Amino acid sequence: EVQLVESGGGLVQPGGSLRLSCAASGFIFSSYWMSWVRQAPGKGLEWVANIKQDGSEKYYVDSVKGRFTISRDNAKNSLYLQMNSLRAEDTAVYYCARESTVAFGGVIVIGYFDYWGQGTLVTVSS
Amino acid sequence: DIQMTQSPSNLSAFVGDRVTITCRASQSISSWLAWYQQKPGKAPKLLIYKASSLESGVPSRLSGSGSGTEFTLTISSLQPDDFATYYCQQYNSYPWTFGQGTKVEIK
Repeated sequence: EVQLVESGGGLVQPGGSLRLSCAASGFIFSSYWMSWVRQAPGKGLEWVANIKQDGSEKYYVDSVKGRFTISRDNAKNSLYLQMNSLRAEDTAVYYCARESTVAFGGVIVIGYFDYWGQGTLVTVSS
Repeated sequence: DIQMTQSPSNLSAFVGDRVTITCRASQSISSWLAWYQQKPGKAPKLLIYKASSLESGVPSRLSGSGSGTEFTLTISSLQPDDFATYYCQQYNSYPWTFGQGTKVEIK
């Protein structure tokens, strides 16, 4: 059974830092792109960042570029999100999500999320 | 960035009703669209990918259609378990973006 379990959320002051972790099990972690998706309280979903299987490619939404860093440790089946210079608008539940990696007509397609963790709440407030 | 716009934002319906949610992209995304269902306090659940492919285990009363810029999610006969918020998401180009959501409530 695929499982994604996030941890590391909590209350942090504006300008502070936090590191989120996601422990993966039930699948070959090193074979999948992985993403972080967030949801502010009462709001919709926002994709934050993703990382290729070997960590060689990373992409970010503009609002977090230069402040957040996504990384992974395939030996530990773990995904991370280092969040620096946190702002009130970063307050959200952060979900770890697996990007489905499927071949369509011989082309590998990524980008939709077939498994999600339960989320971890990050609150940025003084 | 590609903007995704869902309509309606809220929908009230009876059990047994046929329900349709529309998602429009600000530019063509071919068929690179997914739909998710989210219930309060829970993570989203994948329903449909590549615009019309049903994820394993998802009831056949749900279906998706469309390509280019206009897409629909249809529930042929609304069941009590279907009352939730639905999101579309494009994965044609970065950044991946979601619609604002459609909340389906009991009438």
